[in-house]
Amino acid sequence: AQSVSQHNHHVILSEAASLELGCNYSYGGTVNLFWYVQYPGQHLQLLLKYFSGDPLVKGIKGFEAEFIKSKFSFNLRKPSVQWSDTAEYFCAVQRSGGYQKVTFGTGTKLQVIP
Amino acid sequence: DAMVIQNPRYQVTQFGKPVTLSCSQTLNHNVMYWYQQKSSQAPKLLFHYYDKDFNNEADTPDNFQSRRPNTSFCFLDIRSPGLGDAAMYLCATSREIGGGYNEQFFGPGTRLTVL
Repeated sequence: AQSVSQHNHHVILSEAASLELGCNYSYGGTVNLFWYVQYPGQHLQLLLKYFSGDPLVKGIKGFEAEFIKSKFSFNLRKPSVQWSDTAEYFCAVQRSGGYQKVTFGTGTKLQVIP
Repeated sequence: DAMVIQNPRYQVTQFGKPVTLSCSQTLNHNVMYWYQQKSSQAPKLLFHYYDKDFNNEADTPDNFQSRRPNTSFCFLDIRSPGLGDAAMYLCATSREIGGGYNEQFFGPGTRLTVL
């Protein structure tokens, strides 16, 4: 079974700082990769996804993620965070092909200080 | 707007007293999921319905059951809640089109407290 590791459990940044959240997965085959975000008091929503093609994926609100197959990684980045980016971020992985369940990481809480 | 709705948002029950959580969707998605999420943990898939077919995860306790009377509704039944079942329960949906495309849409969750 696949698993997902998010090494940073809690990140605190000042506004305008750059962000990189790590995500590694353990499955040797072809995968679909996701980042979900949960703003305070709101439901989980998709930030971006990778299925195939360009390994650099751009999502909403200026976020991007890069799939590095050799490192089994899908790190999330944003050049300049805003206070409104304060949220919890979940990385998720799914085996490709047919119907496969999605496995989530434990999440990273991002706190952006004005 | 199309969405996933969960009721209630907060549920308090007593130890051992059966409880039912509900989920409805207006997305007309064919797959519905129930996740359990405890504090600082990843959402854990309990089971899902692919159309009418029920798929249980191997490690989901028998205490948890589910019903899907139609495409729009799905229920989570906890027959005898224990203190360890206190958690946020998330419902999600996806439209499975056979190619592995599986973006999931989540409801706001129901926070269950067991006294």
